[in-house]
Amino acid sequence: QKEVEQNSGPLSVPEGAIASLNCTYSDRGSQSFFWYRQYSGKSPELIMFIYSNGDKEDGRFTAQLNKASQYVSLLIRDSQPSDSATYLCAVNAGYKLSFGAGTTVTVRA
Amino acid sequence: DAMVIQNPRYQVTQFGKPVTLSCSQTLNHNVMYWYQQKSSQAPKLLFHYYDKDFNNEADTPDNFQSRRPNTSFCFLDIRSPGLGDAAMYLCATSRELGRASYNEQFFGPGTRLTVL
Repeated sequence: QKEVEQNSGPLSVPEGAIASLNCTYSDRGSQSFFWYRQYSGKSPELIMFIYSNGDKEDGRFTAQLNKASQYVSLLIRDSQPSDSATYLCAVNAGYKLSFGAGTTVTVRA
Repeated sequence: DAMVIQNPRYQVTQFGKPVTLSCSQTLNHNVMYWYQQKSSQAPKLLFHYYDKDFNNEADTPDNFQSRRPNTSFCFLDIRSPGLGDAAMYLCATSRELGRASYNEQFFGPGTRLTVL
């Protein structure tokens, strides 16, 4: 089993819709979780982090964490063409981050 | 602005010709990381430094070495690049280590390495 798994993409959503990204992790001891956005040919950019169970909102982004289910998600509301990118889920595995393979999101104008 | 800087942004080398990539940070973070990322794959950790302590991932080839002469700078040396080493190389920093710490990692812009 991979340490971090993300829902397979690509995910195509119309402009203005909600994009929903999912991530599960295997290490029950993980305590911090991150979402990075990566545009093609660019480096990952941290957009959200969450440490506590529940929801965390930042602008159009909402991260949700359920440690009991070992599940973390990212919602992008009112999706814009500029949100078209690959989204990487990362889990703090102690001395390093374990990354998922990423979900590519395309927002259709 | 505090940041992570990588030079060069693009590097072309010949098969077997040594190459050095550099990373500097103004965040004063204790930890610096080097990742290799190939197309459509997750970043793969090569090694990290906690201050001066070097930590190699078990599956990092011997062809890859690193140096951290001071807190701000870290170098990635590829002794004999092969065609399979063509990738984006990412430097990242974080304040601390540990499962319980808030280990946001901040990435530099990356160096795209081409091997001819």
